[in-house]
Amino acid sequence: GENVEQHPSTLSVQEGDSAVIKCTYSDSASNYFPWYKQELGKRPQLIIDIRSNVGEKKDQRIAVTLNKTAKHFSLHITETQPEDSAVYFCAASSGEYGNKLVFGAGTILRVKS
Amino acid sequence: NAGVTQTPKFRILKIGQSMTLQCAQDMNHNYMYWYRQDPGMGLKLIYYSVGAGITDKGEVPNGYNVSRSTTEDFPLRLELAAPSQTSVYFCASSYSPEIQETQYFGPGTRLLVL
Repeated sequence: GENVEQHPSTLSVQEGDSAVIKCTYSDSASNYFPWYKQELGKRPQLIIDIRSNVGEKKDQRIAVTLNKTAKHFSLHITETQPEDSAVYFCAASSGEYGNKLVFGAGTILRVKS
Repeated sequence: NAGVTQTPKFRILKIGQSMTLQCAQDMNHNYMYWYRQDPGMGLKLIYYSVGAGITDKGEVPNGYNVSRSTTEDFPLRLELAAPSQTSVYFCASSYSPEIQETQYFGPGTRLLVL
């Protein structure tokens, strides 16, 4: 089955700097890759997603890139702010029936002001 | 719209007890999912459903059961609770992937088995 690895497990950046989180997946049939942000004690919230027919997608300070050949995708956050501090999860869809997501283990992002 | 709702918010169970975690959505989503999140870990899929009357196993189904008698509700049943089932349980829902893949999560149920 699908396996998703996420790095780094923790990331500390200075306010205003950029942050990059990387994920690799194993199933070449996966075609949907969302990123979720989870604040302490809260539910995961979708922040951006990308499909396999697209190489890059941007939404204001957030961007995601996908390399299908290498089977990896990355989250880029520019001009980080303290409110970006949270746990970020990548995921990949797997299975021919149903939208079954396999999640990475998460990255704790700390933005220092 | 309330979105995805879950009850209870928190529960303590004794080993061997049973309980049902409730999940409901009012977005007319066909697909519903149950995930568990252990401390410091990502989410793992327990069961999912693509419509009323249709359910299937995810990555970690052992010790759980589900049913889907209506589009709106997707309860998760724990039989013979074990300490390994201590976790936070999230329910999620989505449209069919052909329409939109985004999964919307409920607020979670924190379960402690002692």
